[in-house]
Amino acid sequence: AQSVTQLDSQVPVFEEAPVELRCNYSSSVSVYLFWYVQYPNQGLQLLLKYLSGSTLVKGINGFEAEFNKSQTSFHLRKPSVHISDTAEYFCAVSMNTGFQKLVFGTGTRLLVSP
Amino acid sequence: ETGVTQTPRHLVMGMTNKKSLKCEQHLGHNAMYWYKQSAKKPLELMFVYSLEERVENNSVPSRFSPECPNSSHLFLHLHTLQPEDSALYLCASSQVTGGSREQYFGPGTRLTVT
Repeated sequence: AQSVTQLDSQVPVFEEAPVELRCNYSSSVSVYLFWYVQYPNQGLQLLLKYLSGSTLVKGINGFEAEFNKSQTSFHLRKPSVHISDTAEYFCAVSMNTGFQKLVFGTGTRLLVSP
Repeated sequence: ETGVTQTPRHLVMGMTNKKSLKCEQHLGHNAMYWYKQSAKKPLELMFVYSLEERVENNSVPSRFSPECPNSSHLFLHLHTLQPEDSALYLCASSQVTGGSREQYFGPGTRLTVT
């Protein structure tokens, strides 16, 4: 079975500063990895995904993530955040064969202040 | 309408009421999901329908009853709920075969049980 750990429940950062949201996963088989964002009173929106190929994945809104198989990590980064990036961020994993049920982490709340 | 829609967006019901949540996807997907999102808890997968057949039922109490009449529509019938069932209920859809595997989420129904 797969599992996802997001160690930071909340990350405060100032506007225009860089940010990294950490995600580690556990799986005995190859996986697909995803980052979703949830703004207040909304559903989840896909930021980016890793299926195969290049380990550096670029997503929407200037976010990127790097898949590190040896460290079983998929950390999310942005070089310069905006106030509008304040939201909840979820890392998720699924097996890359068979039915692809998503397993989510507990989420990290990114708080961007001026 | 585009993407995944959910109605109603907000619902307040008493413990003896019967109500239904509706989800519709306009993406041509063949799998649909119900999730429960409670404060400070990971996203919980409740039910999965793939090709209109229920493939997952994660020990959800029988007071929640899903229905998937076709690949575009998904319902969650509610009866005799408990206050701890108050949460955001999210619907999602995906393409089971081929495609890029990610799930697309609706905006959710905020349910309050009084």
